[in-house]
Parts: sequence; C-alpha cells; structure tokens
Amino acid sequence: IAGITQAPTSQILAAGRRMTLRCTQDMRHNAMYWYRQDLGLGLRLIHYSNTAGTTGKGEVPDGYSVSRANTDDFPLTLASAVPSQTSVYFCASSDSPGSADTQYFGPGTRLTVL
Amino acid sequence: GQNIDQPTEMTATEGAIVQINCTYQTSGFNGLFWYQQHAGEAPTFLSYNVLDGLEEKGRFSSFLSRSKGYSYLLLKELQMKDSASYLCAVRGGDYKLSFGAGTTVTVRA
Repeated sequence: IAGITQAPTSQILAAGRRMTLRCTQDMRHNAMYWYRQDLGLGLRLIHYSNTAGTTGKGEVPDGYSVSRANTDDFPLTLASAVPSQTSVYFCASSDSPGSADTQYFGPGTRLTVL
Repeated sequence: GQNIDQPTEMTATEGAIVQINCTYQTSGFNGLFWYQQHAGEAPTFLSYNVLDGLEEKGRFSSFLSRSKGYSYLLLKELQMKDSASYLCAVRGGDYKLSFGAGTTVTVRA
C-alpha cells in the first residue's frame, strides 16, 4: 500500500451500534487526524494525534474516541452511533504537526446512521 | 474561534481564468493552504502560503495578505478537469487546520 487507506469505504449502521473506522498510513508520518465533512460545513477536526501514544480533541470530539498504539494506525470509534453522525469521514496524516507540513488525506468513509 | 469565508459556487468557461477569494479571522496564524477536492474523492494539496505575496505553481497561483486576512486562488487556462471544490484552510496558533466550506467551481465548454 502507498499513502493512507481507510476502511470500510461505506457503511450503513443502526443507531445505538458501536462502529470503528480504520485508518492506516505507510508514510511513517508522526501526526494523524480525523475529520468529518458535511455539506455546507466543510471539514471539521474530530480528534488528532501528534505522535504515537498521544491523542487530542479537535473541534467536534463528542461521541467519538481514538487511540494511537503505533505510528501507522489511528482508528476512530463511535461508541453508540446517532443519526447526526451521518457524514463522510476522512483520515489524514502529516510528517510533523508543528511545521509547514502538508496534510495528506485518505479516500474517506461514507457513514450513514439510521 | 476560527471564521473562514469563501464563495459557495463559481462558474467559468474552459480556457478562462477564475479567482476564488478566501477571508479569515483566526486565533493565531501559521499558514494558509488550498486543497482541491473532486466529487466523491479526498482533498489533495494545491498550495501553501505563510508569507505575504504570490506563489505560482503552473496554472495555479495563490496569494496571501496577512494584514487583511485575505487569500485568493487563481486558476488559469481552465480545463474541464478543474471542475471541483476548492477548500481554503488556515493553520491557527495551535497548528491545527480550520477549513472553509469550500467553493464549487464548474467549468463549462
């Protein structure tokens, strides 16, 4: 693989169910991010990780959790999905969070919560 | 908080020039990015400005005025494949990106 992969590509989920969105990068980037994209609102940061073993809250963290056990993987978990979490979710990574570094995005996961 | 404004939609003719404006009010400033996003795809990096002035990269140019909180992306010699959304993003004092809602550009033959 090259770059960032996300799984699944799309998912329809019943409200109240638990769901984990997977994200893996092979660029050995230190920082990783999760965004959601909704029509008319643009991309909003959910959670981020500046380096393996650390995580932080973004603009819209409620209802989501993340972990960063190693450099490559950054899963996003919805503990009990609600319809307002219907969105397109993008994972991104960058080499260093504090530099002029560009963020690279994965292909996205389209999630529908019914 | 962060406030980033850009027009919702623009239409232009193939071969023409289009300028997408972005104004911002943010807590701190550590650079401004432009991304291109085709429908159903991931955003891809286009340009980065951290100092005032114009950055040119082929058919695309980006301008920044930090004192005015203003940037624009200039697309020259428009091609049909340039039909996409263009996202303005500002890196604030915390080094996190805040995105505008995006400008959808439609190129007509």
